[in-house]
Amino acid sequence: DIQMTQSPSSLSASVGDRVTITCRASLSISTYLNWYQQKPGKAPKLLIHGAYILQSGVPSRFSGSGSGTDFTVTISSLQPEDFATYYCQQSYNSPWTFGQGTKVEIK
Amino acid sequence: QVHLQQSGPGLVKPSETLSLTCTVSGGSISSHYWSWIRQPPGKGLEWIGQIYYSGSTNYNPSLKSRVTISVDTSKNQFSLNLNSVSAADTAVYYCARRWSQYTYGYEDNWGQGTLVTVSS
Repeated sequence: DIQMTQSPSSLSASVGDRVTITCRASLSISTYLNWYQQKPGKAPKLLIHGAYILQSGVPSRFSGSGSGTDFTVTISSLQPEDFATYYCQQSYNSPWTFGQGTKVEIK
Repeated sequence: QVHLQQSGPGLVKPSETLSLTCTVSGGSISSHYWSWIRQPPGKGLEWIGQIYYSGSTNYNPSLKSRVTISVDTSKNQFSLNLNSVSAADTAVYYCARRWSQYTYGYEDNWGQGTLVTVSS
């Protein structure tokens, strides 16, 4: 299985901050990388697929980049509704595996 | 907008079979792939498997010996059966629609989640 490792596991930030989360794959996955946002008690929500393609309806303050083994998701100006846990997922090889998650908390 | 509604028991006894159903509305099940994903309390996400409307399946090898995913196109439903459950299978189970082209894909619509507790 492809291992997905996110960093950091958690971070504290303030409204308006620029936030970047990193995801590393254990082997090259081209751009077959998705990002999800999950709020407590809710199902995950797709933010980005194909490493950088913003899902319809997702605010433009979210952006993704990377290819191969290293990827990032950036929130350009953190909003109150962005405090959540973020997961990356690879869709290069089955089983589709997720990172362990990054919790974004209020500073 | 596709809506996925999950149903099934929230409590299963050890060694028995966990059974959940996902009903799709607002669109036909006869396109796309359909996934099951689970999340143990306080932990991360684990992909269980997927099914195409034709019945073709793909399972996570870690669960393959115990998992069956099936589809009923006449009811616009797909289902998960996980047998011989133990406490380690306690989790929130999600169904989801998987948009897929070859291996490229993503889960773009999710059910509400069902907490299944394995306990006697």
